Amino acid sequence: KAGVTQTPRYLIKTRGQQVTLSCSPISGHRSVSWYQQTPGQGLQFLFEYFSETQRNKGNFPGRFSGRQFSNSRSEMNVSTLELGDSALYLCASKPGWGDTDTQYFGPGTRLTVL
Amino acid sequence: EDQVTQSPEALRLQEGESSSLNCSYTVSGLRGLFWYRQDPGKGPEFLFTLYSAGEEKEKERLKATLTKKESFLHITAPKPEDSATYLCAVQVVDNYGQNFVFGPGTRLSVLP
Repeated sequence: KAGVTQTPRYLIKTRGQQVTLSCSPISGHRSVSWYQQTPGQGLQFLFEYFSETQRNKGNFPGRFSGRQFSNSRSEMNVSTLELGDSALYLCASKPGWGDTDTQYFGPGTRLTVL
Repeated sequence: EDQVTQSPEALRLQEGESSSLNCSYTVSGLRGLFWYRQDPGKGPEFLFTLYSAGEEKEKERLKATLTKKESFLHITAPKPEDSATYLCAVQVVDNYGQNFVFGPGTRLSVLP
C-alpha cells in the first residue's frame, strides 16, 4: 500500500507570496492532519480534516488555511509568507477520527521563505 | 496546558550500549501515547502506540513502556542504523477536539 505523498518536496518563495502544498493520504484514510516542524518549535499541529470538514485547529494565524477534497486529498495554503514560515510541513493521515487510530506521516515539504 | 517533555535532548551511545529515552507528559484526557522515529529530512516513522499504564510493546531492539506520567523507550544493543531523532507524542481530547501534542525529541547517535 502506498504511503502518504506530499508535493512538492521543496519550495522556495519570497516574503509576501502565497503557497499551496498538497497531500495525498494512504488509500482508505479519511483523516488528514498538517504539522509545521522547525528546529526551535519542533512539531506543531496546524489542523485536521475529516470528510472534507476541519475538525480541529492549532494555534496558528489565519494566514494558514486548508481544505480537503472528496477523495480525501488535502491542500494547505499559506498567504502573505513571512520569513518565520520557513519550515518542514508534514502531512499525516489516519483511517478515521477515532481516538485509537495511529497517524502515518508523509515525507514533508521543505518551504524556504527568502 | 498539555505538555510533553523528552530527555535527554541528545544521547550518544557506543554500538551495543543499551539505554533508555524518557517521555514525560502532563495532559488531561490522554487517549494514547505514540513513539516515532525521524531521520534527517524525512517525515516521522511510526514505531509504537501505548494506551494504558503498564502496557509494553517491543519491536526488534526497541521496547516501549508506559506509566501514568511517563513513557520509556528502551534500546537494547543499539546499532548505528538506530541513529535518529525519537519523538514522543500524546493524543489528547481538548475543547477543540482530538489533538496530537509532540515532544521536542531525543537525538540519538550510535557510534560503531
